[in-house]
Order: sequence, then C-alpha cells, then structure tokens
Amino acid sequence: AQKITQTQPGMFVQEKEAVTLDCTYDTSDQSYGLFWYKQPSSGEMIFLIYQGSYDEQNATEGRYSLNFQKARKSANLVISASQLGDSAMYFCAMSRALTGGFKTIFGAGTRLFVKA
Amino acid sequence: DAGVTQSPTHLIKTRGQQVTLRCSPKSGHDTVSWYQQALGQGPQFIFQYYEEEERQRGNFPDRFSGHQFPNYSSELNVNALLLGDSALYLCASSLGPQGANGYTFGSGTRLTVV
Repeated sequence: AQKITQTQPGMFVQEKEAVTLDCTYDTSDQSYGLFWYKQPSSGEMIFLIYQGSYDEQNATEGRYSLNFQKARKSANLVISASQLGDSAMYFCAMSRALTGGFKTIFGAGTRLFVKA
Repeated sequence: DAGVTQSPTHLIKTRGQQVTLRCSPKSGHDTVSWYQQALGQGPQFIFQYYEEEERQRGNFPDRFSGHQFPNYSSELNVNALLLGDSALYLCASSLGPQGANGYTFGSGTRLTVV
C-alpha cells in the first residue's frame, strides 16, 4: 500500500538554526514524485520543493533542501537558517503516475515552531 | 497573476443536502485536483481532472463527483451530505497532471454540515 509517514507531530527550533523534518514513504512504484508543502495558519498550502524518483541530485530551493535517500525511502526536508515565519504545518506528499493521471497522497504533517 | 480561486470560502449545509464548490485554476494551468482536509489531518485526494475528464480518483464514494469545463475551471459536487463531510476542501491546479513544478493550492472552502 502507498503510504507517507511523518513521525514528528511537532518540532521546535531556535531562530537562525537548521531543522530537519522527517518523511518516509512506502511504494512499489519505480516512478514517483515527492513534494513538501507548507500550510500556515491561514490554511493555504504552499509548494516548497519537488524531487523526482529518478533525480540523482537532491533538490534545493533557497533555504529548503530535500535529503532524498531512495534505498531508505526517505525524503527529509531541511530548512536552513529558520525564521519566525517558518512556523507552520509541513506536509510531505508523494505523487504516483497511474493510467491517465496522477494521484497524490499526503502525510499527517509536522507542526514546526520557531522560537525567537 | 491570479492564483487558484475557490468559492465560496465558507458554507453551511444541512445533512442530506447537496453542495457545489467551484475552482478557477491559476492562469496557464490545465489540470485541477480536489482534496478533502479534515481538521488536524493531511489532505486526502478526491480526484484529478485533465482535458475535461476525471483522470484519477481517491477512495471517495460516488456521492462525490466533479466536472472540468473548457476554460479549465472545475466544480466539486457532493450529494446526500453527511456530518462527516465537514472539512476544508482544497483545489489545486498544475500544468499537466504530474505537477512537477508543484501544485498551486487555493485557500479552500470550509464546509460545515449540520
């Protein structure tokens, strides 16, 4: 069964420090995509970063990087130099290529608290 | 450049009624996916529309149906509402179904069934 697991319900980090949010996934597919989204208290989901299953290099987008370990089926998000505005829910998601379209499943999320 | 627009923002319905939610995708996007997000949980995939057809569907009953119009906008219809249908309904658009550049989400419609 396809599944995304985020084992950290909540995380605290000091402002300006780096933090790693864990994500493991379960799939028998060869081709899939991995995403991270941020959801502030306002409710809107904000796309952060994408990693394709065939991409050999880890994806980076500004202060965000995705630590992709395919053999371990993990796709951890690293946020460098945390800012107060990073406080939000973070969701890991996996998109599967199926006949005719794509299906995306989300994890339960990790709530990040950035301390001043 | 407008992002994804959803309407209405909030809605209260009575059990057994029917509801229609609307979504206008981001300019340049041709694919719309719908999600249900219960309080404190991750979004659950309902279905994806591309080229005016339902391309993929999650584990939702037939009471949930949708439509995509030639201008790429989309509707989500829910019949015979149950109390458990109360949730935030999110629409996401992308260029193509894969969404490798990320799905752009709207702010959602908060549906309350009483």
